[in-house]
Amino acid sequence: EAQVTQNPRYLITVTGKKLTVTCSQNMNHEYMSWYRQDPGLGLRQIYYSMNVEVTDKGDVPEGYKVSRKEKRNFPLILESPSPNQTSLYFCASSLRGLVGDTQYFGPGTRLTVL
Amino acid sequence: AQSVTQLDSHVSVSEGTPVLLRCNYSSSYSPSLFWYVQHPNKGLQLLLKYTSAATLVKGINGFEAEFKKSETSFHLTKPSAHMSDAAEYFCVVSGNNQGGKLIFGQGTELSVKP
Repeated sequence: EAQVTQNPRYLITVTGKKLTVTCSQNMNHEYMSWYRQDPGLGLRQIYYSMNVEVTDKGDVPEGYKVSRKEKRNFPLILESPSPNQTSLYFCASSLRGLVGDTQYFGPGTRLTVL
Repeated sequence: AQSVTQLDSHVSVSEGTPVLLRCNYSSSYSPSLFWYVQHPNKGLQLLLKYTSAATLVKGINGFEAEFKKSETSFHLTKPSAHMSDAAEYFCVVSGNNQGGKLIFGQGTELSVKP
């Protein structure tokens, strides 16, 4: 089944403790992206990747890192999480990241930083 | 710059009555427009998309949307609501810049009363 998977689905952590949220897709998509969802704000892009070893900042990149060493994986790294990063995170992928390409979303990761 | 405004944060309808979720967009380019649905504790699912072909777009589960350039609108409709339609709906425009970024509206929560 074609899908985007994320792990973990739920995570509670404390301020400053490094964490990684994994994202993997099995559709051979070149483009991958991370979004965060906050009430009343919709989804906002954190980082994106047009292909392996190519990443760039989205609208809200502060406090996050990403890497794209393999085509299928795009982990999101919070090196020193803070409470304002408490949010629902979505990973997405599309074939090439072109205008009009459908983006497929993972199930989401709910992160709480205490 | 591109933006999306969903005109209602919450819409409530009775089962069997029509659904109208309103969306206006702003874009300097010919936009690609999407509607995504998010059921409680679920990821985002594509309902339909417009990419400069037919202005009336049919999607899954009986939903459709009409692209009106003169009104810069992309409203989502369904003739008869079902209880399972209760969810949050996002109107989305695809940015015409490198990155394939999706720009989300704030979301409209649809409630369906028996």
